[in-house]
Amino acid sequence: GNSVTQMEGPVTLSEEAFLTINCTYTATGYPSLFWYVQYPGEGLQLLLKATKADDKGSNKGFEATYRKETTSFHLEKGSVQVSDSAVYFCALTSSARQLTFGSGTQLTVLP
Amino acid sequence: DVKVTQSSRYLVKRTGEKVFLECVQDMDHENMFWYRQDPGLGLRLIYFSYDVKMKEKGDIPEGYSVSREKKERFSLILESASTNQTSMYLCASSSGTRGREGTGELFFGEGSRLTVL
Repeated sequence: GNSVTQMEGPVTLSEEAFLTINCTYTATGYPSLFWYVQYPGEGLQLLLKATKADDKGSNKGFEATYRKETTSFHLEKGSVQVSDSAVYFCALTSSARQLTFGSGTQLTVLP
Repeated sequence: DVKVTQSSRYLVKRTGEKVFLECVQDMDHENMFWYRQDPGLGLRLIYFSYDVKMKEKGDIPEGYSVSREKKERFSLILESASTNQTSMYLCASSSGTRGREGTGELFFGEGSRLTVL
């Protein structure tokens, strides 16, 4: 079956530091890949997505590249802000359109 | 602003009580979903619906039921709450083709944190 593995948190960074949150997946077929973000006290919202190999999704300074050869979709940001503190979820959909989430990574950015 | 609204942010219930969690979306979406969120486990799909009066089991349906009498409203029911159902419950909706999460772009409510004593 499909699965998503994220790096375990929590992750604590200083403002303006570089962020990487690792995500690898196992899936049949050609999944679409997503990053969702959950800010404190809120529901999840879509951050970015990529639908085919080598696509790069980007939004709000975050980027992730769909790497089929390494089955990865790592989330990166060059300079994090305090307002980026949240829980980040990697997810995928398979050909059956079943959405599978990773366990989430808590990010805290300190001023 | 488009919204998914969950009726209760926080609930405290006793073991054996019947619990209703309500969710309303104003985007005319066909698909609606109920997830539970637990630390270290991510989100797990309980039930979903792709049309009025239609429902399908997700990955962890045991102990839950759902109702979708109107397109905009999707209710989660715990017939007899148990302590292992203490969790955060998230409702979501999406547009598009019939099926599970469609393209993967879901719109979530703010969640309902349920504590069962």
